[in-house]
Amino acid sequence: GIQVEQSPPDLILQEGANSTLRCNFSDSVNNLQWFHQNPWGQLINLFYIPSGTKQNGRLSATTVATERYSLLYISSSQTTDSGVYFCAVGDYKLSFGAGTTVTVRA
Amino acid sequence: NAGVTQTPKFQVLKTGQSMTLQCAQDMNHEYMSWYRQDPGMGLRLIHYSVGAGITDQGEVPNGYNVSRSTTEDFPLRLLSAAPSQTSVYFCASSYSLNGQSDYEQYFGPGTRLTVT
Repeated sequence: GIQVEQSPPDLILQEGANSTLRCNFSDSVNNLQWFHQNPWGQLINLFYIPSGTKQNGRLSATTVATERYSLLYISSSQTTDSGVYFCAVGDYKLSFGAGTTVTVRA
Repeated sequence: NAGVTQTPKFQVLKTGQSMTLQCAQDMNHEYMSWYRQDPGMGLRLIHYSVGAGITDQGEVPNGYNVSRSTTEDFPLRLLSAAPSQTSVYFCASSYSLNGQSDYEQYFGPGTRLTVT
């Protein structure tokens, strides 16, 4: 199966800081999604981004499919950004990375 | 739309008991899947379905059964619960964005299962 590696595993930020999360994957894919798992365990769709760049408020994502990686940017972080960020790739069934745990301190 | 719904939210079972986790979606999505999430790990695929009447195994299928009699429902059955099945279970549905190869998945709120 497709291997998905996320880095860093943990990230501690001061409120207002910017950060970049990385996702590397081992094969070409038709689906790449970023999710945020909030402290209550809910998985929230952030981006569907098999290629290119998208922005949604303070979050943006870029996928370079030919080089098999994706980046998630968090700007001006807020405490509500805390949680685990997952990258997942595949088609109608996904392979997940182990996630990046983000803690934003006030 | 309610999206993807799961019941129950929490469940405690004794070893050897059986139960069914319910999953339903009202988006008319063709594809549905079950995943489990263990502490410190990403989600792993248990079973999936590409349409009513069609199911297949994922990465960790042992100890679980599924069926898909309708587009809307995709229940997951634990045949004889074991402590190793203590986990959080997520159901998901997806559709093809372009009728071919691009898919986007939506997840339910999860069921937290403890087997003692």
